[in-house]
Amino acid sequence: GAVVSQHPSWVICKSGTSVKIECRSLDFQATTMFWYRQFPKQSLMLMATSNEGSKATYEQGVEKDKFLINHASLTLSTLTVTSAHPEDSSFYICSASSGEDSNQPQHFGDGTRLSIL
Amino acid sequence: GNSVTQMEGPVTLSEEAFLTINCTYTATGYPSLFWYVQYPGEGLQLLLKATKADDKGSNKGFEATYRKETTSFHLEKGSVQVSDSAVYFCALSPPRGRGYNKLIFGAGTRLAVHP
Repeated sequence: GAVVSQHPSWVICKSGTSVKIECRSLDFQATTMFWYRQFPKQSLMLMATSNEGSKATYEQGVEKDKFLINHASLTLSTLTVTSAHPEDSSFYICSASSGEDSNQPQHFGDGTRLSIL
Repeated sequence: GNSVTQMEGPVTLSEEAFLTINCTYTATGYPSLFWYVQYPGEGLQLLLKATKADDKGSNKGFEATYRKETTSFHLEKGSVQVSDSAVYFCALSPPRGRGYNKLIFGAGTRLAVHP
């Protein structure tokens, strides 16, 4: 089946630093990748959608300068949390899809738990 | 706007009990509906889906029927196992032609099955 690898799975860093999270599709070409944020005991909230080779589309209320997304190839997208602060601590999950058709399933990574001290 | 509401957990059942996890949605038109499952320490996996009214999605003994009249997509299983313990997410994809496959999730329901 389609496998999506997300790295790192867990990161702790000091306030003010930038953190990069990688999302890779291992056995398929991901035309579209999605980044979600999940707060404890809450649902996944879509942050942005990225298509290979183009700028990401951010959801309302998500700061694009704070959460930089790059989708440089068909197998890799990165999310960089810039100048992270404690309120950015959360569980971040990526998913990847091989097409834009609404019937193309999203395949999810295992998530990254980010803790900012 | 589009939204998904599912019953709060945790749901605690004994093995072989009947499971229902309620899910209702708000959307314009005819969205696609999904159930995803997240086992401990793993990512989300698609469990089943339905793309039009009255469709029934099924997988691994789980079923859900797309009910347009009640805007519901309740998840059911006749006899749960300990291995079904996980968090279950109901989700919808808004009806749109070309464009990304956007998913809107419910809050998730944790299921704990005891022997």
